[in-house]
Amino acid sequence: GDSVTQMEGPVTLSEEACLTINCTYTATGYPSLFWYVQYPGEGLQLLLKATKADDKGSNKGFEATYRKETTSFHLEKGSVQVSDSAVYFCALLGGSQGNLIFGKGTKLSVKP
Amino acid sequence: GAGVSQSPRYKVTKRGQDVALRCDPISGHVSLYWYRQALGQGPEFLTYFNYEAQQDKSGLPNDRFSAERPEGSISTLTIQRTEQRDSAMYRCASSSRLAGGEGVTEAFFGQGTRLTVV
Repeated sequence: GDSVTQMEGPVTLSEEACLTINCTYTATGYPSLFWYVQYPGEGLQLLLKATKADDKGSNKGFEATYRKETTSFHLEKGSVQVSDSAVYFCALLGGSQGNLIFGKGTKLSVKP
Repeated sequence: GAGVSQSPRYKVTKRGQDVALRCDPISGHVSLYWYRQALGQGPEFLTYFNYEAQQDKSGLPNDRFSAERPEGSISTLTIQRTEQRDSAMYRCASSSRLAGGEGVTEAFFGQGTRLTVV
């Protein structure tokens, strides 16, 4: 079945460091791909999405490119801030599915 | 309402008791989803509705779990004869598009209900 694998955390970075959180997927067909973020004490929020190969999703300085050849959707940010500290979830929505399939999440801590 | 509302936020129950978790989706949203999230894991799909119709319940772990959305708005997830392994965060989400249909749109999540079975 469809699945998502993302790098395990926790990831600890200093402010202004570069961030990459790896995400790869297994799916039949052409899924849509998402990154969700969960800030402390809050619910899951959509960060960005991409619906077809080579699409780039971007929001709040974060980017991810849908790479069909490597079945990947890595999350990147050039300069992280303390306020980016959160848990990040990669997810896919398969063509025939109504529900999201999530990775296990990666906790990011950014120190001043 | 302004967002997806779940109640209660926290629930502690004794093993063997029944619990009902409520989800109030964003007004007008047609699809509603339930997920369960264990500590350190991502959300796992339980079931979803389009309007009042339960379209997929393949993620419900066993027959102690059931969900309903009788008027196509508020939904209740019920767990009967709770067990300690049911302890988790239960998350609800809603979307303006039909689940499984054409197009992709954002699913909005509530803050979740933290269930602890003692």
